[in-house]
Amino acid sequence: GDSVTQMEGPVTLSEEAFLTINCTYTATGYPSLFWYVQYPGEGLQLLLKATKADDKGSNKGFEATYRKETTSFHLEKGSVQVSDSAVYFCALRSGSASKIIFGSGTRLSIRP
Amino acid sequence: GAVVSQHPSRVICKSGTSVKIECRSLDFQATTMFWYRQFPKQSLMLMATSNEGSKATYEQGVEKDKFLINHASLTLSTLTVTSAHPEDSSFYICSALRDFTDTQYFGPGTRLTVL
Repeated sequence: GDSVTQMEGPVTLSEEAFLTINCTYTATGYPSLFWYVQYPGEGLQLLLKATKADDKGSNKGFEATYRKETTSFHLEKGSVQVSDSAVYFCALRSGSASKIIFGSGTRLSIRP
Repeated sequence: GAVVSQHPSRVICKSGTSVKIECRSLDFQATTMFWYRQFPKQSLMLMATSNEGSKATYEQGVEKDKFLINHASLTLSTLTVTSAHPEDSSFYICSALRDFTDTQYFGPGTRLTVL
């Protein structure tokens, strides 16, 4: 079945460092891909999404490109801030189904 | 923006009792809602898909008689954990699929602790 694999955390970086969180997927058909963020004590929020190959999703300085050839959707940010500390989930939704399948989540901590 | 609420945010109950969790879409209609369970430091696992006016669809391995879902209106779905046991302790999250869109909005979650 469909699945999402993302790098295990926790990831700890210093402020202004470059961030990459790897995400790969397996799916039948052409899924939509998402990154969700969960800040401490809050619910999941959609961070960005891409619905077809080569699309780039971006928001709040984060970006991810839908790579069909490598079945990847890696999350990147050029300069992280303390306020980016959260848990990040990569996810996919296949075809017309509304069910979202999540990766295991990566906890990110940013040091001042 | 679209908001989904859950009530209660936290609940502690004794083993053997039943607990009801509500999920409401506050400013939009949602024919379809989803219930997830999140274990500590783990991902969200889909439990069931709730459709207004019809029976919920449960994922493999989820006991439908234990986790009762009712979606009585276009803005409300409820999850009742029946005869709760300590292993049911978890973080339960709902999401609502806004009608006529493909966008889901997540609630803040309910932490259930069964003593």
